[in-house]
Amino acid sequence: SQQGEEDPQALSIQEGENATMNCSYKTSINNLQWYRQNSGRGLVHLILIRSNEREKHSGRLRVTLDTSKKSSSLLITASRAADTASYFCATGAAGNKLTFGGGTRVLVKP
Amino acid sequence: ETGVTQSPTHLIKTRGQQVTLRCSSQSGHNTVSWYQQALGQGPQFIFQYYREEENGRGNFPPRFSGLQFPNYSSELNVNALELDDSALYLCASSAGLAAYEQYFGPGTRLTVT
Repeated sequence: SQQGEEDPQALSIQEGENATMNCSYKTSINNLQWYRQNSGRGLVHLILIRSNEREKHSGRLRVTLDTSKKSSSLLITASRAADTASYFCATGAAGNKLTFGGGTRVLVKP
Repeated sequence: ETGVTQSPTHLIKTRGQQVTLRCSSQSGHNTVSWYQQALGQGPQFIFQYYREEENGRGNFPPRFSGLQFPNYSSELNVNALELDDSALYLCASSAGLAAYEQYFGPGTRLTVT
């Protein structure tokens, strides 16, 4: 079974717009990570936020974490066509085993 | 590109057969995790190997088994293949159990007919 659920399941935006996706999870976590996957290939690690952090930035990415609501959001600013991909949140527990959500499929139209 | 490689890239098998998938971890990484990703879904944790020992297993039957070798490369074996085993199989390596970031290989696409 999957720990988290992403919302929305799919997102279509114009190049230059911002993309926001949300993730909810069920159990206590050590950290939450976001990964990107292009066309059914391997996952690429984007950003990790620890359970004692509330916000983190990396380039055009901004992640927030609200442990009281068991939720996280990923914001991609000034999106580009190359950002077209599926985005997954994953929660990490002891021993760094990851539990993934179902993903958000993002389409950035040029 | 990560330093994690997987072979083969694609594989077609018949129901009831056995399959072995291989993964070479990134240099310096002693932990390998395997995930199954069905079409349109997120990856699901199968099991993890740390220094050649299994270190945790997800909700998968015993016909899914694995090995890790002294060079930290790993194999995933699946016996008695079923149609539902058709999926993308991903391995990920990390630099120990406390290293949260995982580096994924490109995956092996298994089709069971």
